Amino acid sequence: GAVVSQHPSWVICKSGTSVKIECRSLDFQATTMFWYRQFPKQSLMLMATSNEGSKATYEQGVEKDKFLINHASLTLSTLTVTSAHPEDSSFYICSARDGTGGDGAKNIQYFGAGTRLSVL
Amino acid sequence: AQKITQTQPGMFVQEKEAVTLDCTYDTSDPSYGLFWYKQPSSGEMIFLIYQGSYDQQNATEGRYSLNFQKARKSANLVISASQLGDSAMYFCAMREGPRNFNKFYFGSGTKLNVKP
Repeated sequence: GAVVSQHPSWVICKSGTSVKIECRSLDFQATTMFWYRQFPKQSLMLMATSNEGSKATYEQGVEKDKFLINHASLTLSTLTVTSAHPEDSSFYICSARDGTGGDGAKNIQYFGAGTRLSVL
Repeated sequence: AQKITQTQPGMFVQEKEAVTLDCTYDTSDPSYGLFWYKQPSSGEMIFLIYQGSYDQQNATEGRYSLNFQKARKSANLVISASQLGDSAMYFCAMREGPRNFNKFYFGSGTKLNVKP
């Protein structure tokens, strides 16, 4: 299957600082990437859909100015948590859709390994 | 109504035995896709298997098979010959199409514990 790389896997930061998380599709081009947030022992919550070369589409209730998303190329999307606060501490995970080849119609999302963010 | 329902918060299975994880879905769209993902304690989400709404046969991928019962709107995951490494959270997901093609709906997950 397709490989998605996410960095860093774990980050601790002070309150008020910004943190950038990278999501890369390694062996395919991803015109669409997705950012999710997951609280302990809960399911994934979609935060936003990231489209290459255009603005991200945010889900209701997600602050655009707090969670900045940039999808500058077909293989890279970044999520920046601005002015992080302890309540932003969570597990963030990205995914990418491989729309090419025989599996394109299935719209399978391939996920990165996730980033555990702790804001002190 | 919930789009995806997983009614088993936790399951135990003996190593080498088969186990079925339940998933029911709710949609009025005739075109949809169903997915199962595995999430080990490390956190990554691993794609396991896909079933399209128009697929005539149940999907199989190695030890994983999807018991697709369209009339009942169920898409249960069957893991045969369980291994210790199968211990993880398992999420069922659905996407509708074509207008909502990109949005995935996830269930609440089932934590599977494989006993030696």
